[in-house]
Amino acid sequence: DSGVTQTPKHLITATGQRVTLRCSPRSGDLSVYWYQQSLDQGLQFLIQYYNGEERAKGNILERFSAQQFPDLHSELNLSSLELGDSALYFCASSVILGNGEAFFGQGTRLTVV
Amino acid sequence: GQQVMQIPQYQHVQEGEDFTTYCNSSTTLSNIQWYKQRPGGHPVFLIQLVKSGEVKKQKRLTFQFGEAKKNSSLHITATQTTDVGTYFCAGGDYKLSFGAGTTVTVRA
Repeated sequence: DSGVTQTPKHLITATGQRVTLRCSPRSGDLSVYWYQQSLDQGLQFLIQYYNGEERAKGNILERFSAQQFPDLHSELNLSSLELGDSALYFCASSVILGNGEAFFGQGTRLTVV
Repeated sequence: GQQVMQIPQYQHVQEGEDFTTYCNSSTTLSNIQWYKQRPGGHPVFLIQLVKSGEVKKQKRLTFQFGEAKKNSSLHITATQTTDVGTYFCAGGDYKLSFGAGTTVTVRA
């Protein structure tokens, strides 16, 4: 158990819908990363937060947004969903930015039908 | 922006053989991390390298950071079926950019 909790584990939704993925980082970790992993693909960096502030953005679509709350949990919002958004979404947390071990959650598998 | 490239994308290994996977960055890295993702699992941290030319070993795994801090390698000796999975390197800037990974399969 990495200590990072992602909910839900599975999500099936229709095209055009909006979903929210939730991540609770390890206790004490201030940095949260979001990644998208499509079938047999690598980990595509989406966005990173540190202590409530956005610190870096990857190739995140405008239909996607995220935030980190004062209690440090984070949410990734995906809207106007398309079939191509079907993927495994991972959240990871670390104590500090870009240094030291990042702990990954089990991921949320999103299926858009 | 920083890009981290990994080769090969796939590695099919006979059990007992050795293999190496390579990671190259377009820019100098402050550090590099390696992760392993088992089929159906999530990435798990293996190691972090920080110093130029650093070499670290974990049992049958040897990790190396290049002198210019732009490349790294992971060498596995005497491959076992437990080594199956995808190995990712990640550039140690604050974005933690991952390479595409090397997916390893083992023939018994």
